[in-house]
Amino acid sequence: EAQVTQNPRYLITVTGKKLTVTCSQNMNHEYMSWYRQDPGLGLRQIYYSMNVEVTDKGDVPEGYKVSRKEKRNFPLILESPSPNQTSLYFCASSRLTLSSYNEQFFGPGTRLTVL
Amino acid sequence: AQSVTQLDSHVSVSEGTPVLLRCNYSSSYSPSLFWYVQHPNKGLQLLLKYTSAATLVKGINGFEAEFKKSETSFHLTKPSAHMSDAAEYFCVVSLRNSGNTPLVFGKGTRLSVIA
Repeated sequence: EAQVTQNPRYLITVTGKKLTVTCSQNMNHEYMSWYRQDPGLGLRQIYYSMNVEVTDKGDVPEGYKVSRKEKRNFPLILESPSPNQTSLYFCASSRLTLSSYNEQFFGPGTRLTVL
Repeated sequence: AQSVTQLDSHVSVSEGTPVLLRCNYSSSYSPSLFWYVQHPNKGLQLLLKYTSAATLVKGINGFEAEFKKSETSFHLTKPSAHMSDAAEYFCVVSLRNSGNTPLVFGKGTRLSVIA
C-alpha cells in the first residue's frame, strides 16, 4: 500500500530534550516536506527536500533541523524543543515533475507536546 | 505571491442540505488548486484537484468545485450533506511548474452537520 508513515504518533517531552520524528514514504517520491498545524493558522511548511541531500527552509524553520540521506526518509529533528513547538506535525511527499501539478500525500500526523 | 483565503472559519448545515465552502486565491501564475479534508484525529486526504483540464472538478464523496478565474474562486460544494462530512476542509494553492511545489494552505473551514 502506498503510504507515508510517521513515528511516533504522539509524544510528550520536556523543554530541551532532543527528539526526532521519523517520516518514511514508499512511493519513490523525490519531494518531501514537513508542516506544522496550529489552530486558526492552517498548515505551515517547516522544511522541504527536493531530493537526497537537498533540503531547504520553508516558512517556519526556526528550531528545527532535517536531513535527507535516503530518498524514502525525511526525519524532523528538534535539538532543543520549547513549548511553542507544541503542535501537530505532518510529513508529506510527492513526485517532482515540472510539467504537472503536485498532489502531496500526507502522513497521519504526530502530536507533540513540549512541557 | 500566492495566498488563499477561506471566507468562513466555521460552516454549519443540516443533514441533507447543500454545502458551500468558499475559497478565494491569488496567484501570479496559473495555479493548481486543491481541496483537502481532515477528519478528527486523522491526516489530510485529497478531495479533488484543479489542474486546468476542466473548470468543474468532481471529487470523492460527492464533492465538486468550480474554478472561476474571473472571480479567483474555487468554492467547494456538495448537494446534500451527510453526517460523515463533518470535518475540517482546507483550500490549497500550488504554483504549477515550480520545482519547490510549495503548497499554500488556507486556514481551514470547520464543517458541522446537524442531524
